[in-house]
Amino acid sequence: DTGVSQDPRHKITKRGQNVTFRCDPISEHNRLYWYRQTLGQGPEFLTYFQNEAQLEKSRLLSDRFSAERPKGSFSTLEIQRTEQGDSAMYLCASSFFLTSRLREQYFGPGTRLTVT
Amino acid sequence: DQQVKQNSPSLSVQEGRISILNCDYTNSMFDYFLWYKKYPAEGPTFLISISSIKDKNEDGRFTVFLNKSAKHLSLHIVPSQPGDSAVYFCAASVKGGSEKLVFGKGTKLTVNP
Repeated sequence: DTGVSQDPRHKITKRGQNVTFRCDPISEHNRLYWYRQTLGQGPEFLTYFQNEAQLEKSRLLSDRFSAERPKGSFSTLEIQRTEQGDSAMYLCASSFFLTSRLREQYFGPGTRLTVT
Repeated sequence: DQQVKQNSPSLSVQEGRISILNCDYTNSMFDYFLWYKKYPAEGPTFLISISSIKDKNEDGRFTVFLNKSAKHLSLHIVPSQPGDSAVYFCAASVKGGSEKLVFGKGTKLTVNP
């Protein structure tokens, strides 16, 4: 039973550097989400893919952020020119769309980003 | 504007007793509600969900109640166990489109032996 996996689990980077995170969803899931969680807050939506198409982006996703899901499988989230305010836990979730009957999303363990 | 609110940052209960976690929402378009449990340094784990066409859903020790007129839901854990100690998040979504989840800030539950 393979759940959602994320790599790396932790990333420390210096301000101004670029970072890239990877998410591997549950294999039969066609929907993939990225969320960001900061201390004392719940996860906040960043972006959503159905298969390989990126269909929604939050206004939280500045132009320094880009996400891809080639071939509708794994996804990457890249942050360019990182800022200290980007320090957060980045969470990936996946779900299987079936006429919206079941809308549970399953989360990976997250990537903890620290920008120094 | 916080659309999903968990007004109690923390809750402490004795092992074997009932834990009741509360959640309020403001967006009347929400039609699906979920509870997640989160341990430190891990991602949220799905616990239980409820559609707006129901007012109760039960799964083992976990029961979720939905009061649409009050825009309120609650999670009951009976009996509480020390392993239930975690942060619990309430989340909601609107049918159609991305069906992204909107989360509350969480309630930290501590179950004392």
